[in-house]
Amino acid sequence: QKEVEQNSGPLSVPEGAIASLNCTYSDRGSQSFFWYRQYSGKSPELIMFIYSNGDKEDGRFTAQLNKASQYVSLLIRDSQPSDSATYLCAVRYSGGGADGLTFGKGTHLIIQP
Amino acid sequence: EPEVTQTPSHQVTQMGQEVILRCVPISNHLYFYWYRQILGQKVEFLVSFYNNEISEKSEIFDDQFSVERPDGSNFTLKIRSTKLEDSAMYFCASSVDRVVDTQYFGPGTRLTVL
Repeated sequence: QKEVEQNSGPLSVPEGAIASLNCTYSDRGSQSFFWYRQYSGKSPELIMFIYSNGDKEDGRFTAQLNKASQYVSLLIRDSQPSDSATYLCAVRYSGGGADGLTFGKGTHLIIQP
Repeated sequence: EPEVTQTPSHQVTQMGQEVILRCVPISNHLYFYWYRQILGQKVEFLVSFYNNEISEKSEIFDDQFSVERPDGSNFTLKIRSTKLEDSAMYFCASSVDRVVDTQYFGPGTRLTVL
């Protein structure tokens, strides 16, 4: 059974601080890792993707991947009230014909002004 | 910037009726997907489609569901006989291919089965 686990939160962070979101996954054969942002009633919006161990930075966002620990994280620097949303971790498993993403339940992030 | 579009935004139907949800993937993308999200729950994969055939499907995608690419731009999800538990947001997504596999989601169709 493919599982992606996230703390549902809510995670409350003061404006301007760093928000740290975490995700673990069950299948060691996973190859692609994604972070999506979802505002209430809206569709998932791609924030970051990462394929290799280590850090990947894009603006205020940094994704971190540790395949040995089966752990993915997302750091948001200089958090803004507009960052308040649910953040979804998604994993694409390797293996023949595996296309679909397995999503976690998401972490609800609240940035307090 | 190219984006995935979906119609209608909201569909209300009676239990047992057939519904067709429509999507226009990003034009140079080759892989298309359907996901659903029941209110308050996680996003769940239904099916992927490539080269005019199903590439992968989940346990949710049973005989009540079908997908089709009726022309060069549209991608559809049909639910033959809707049930109350089919009420959900249905998202279409597309990706360039399986190597460049970042999936971009459309705005979704909210399906309400009465």
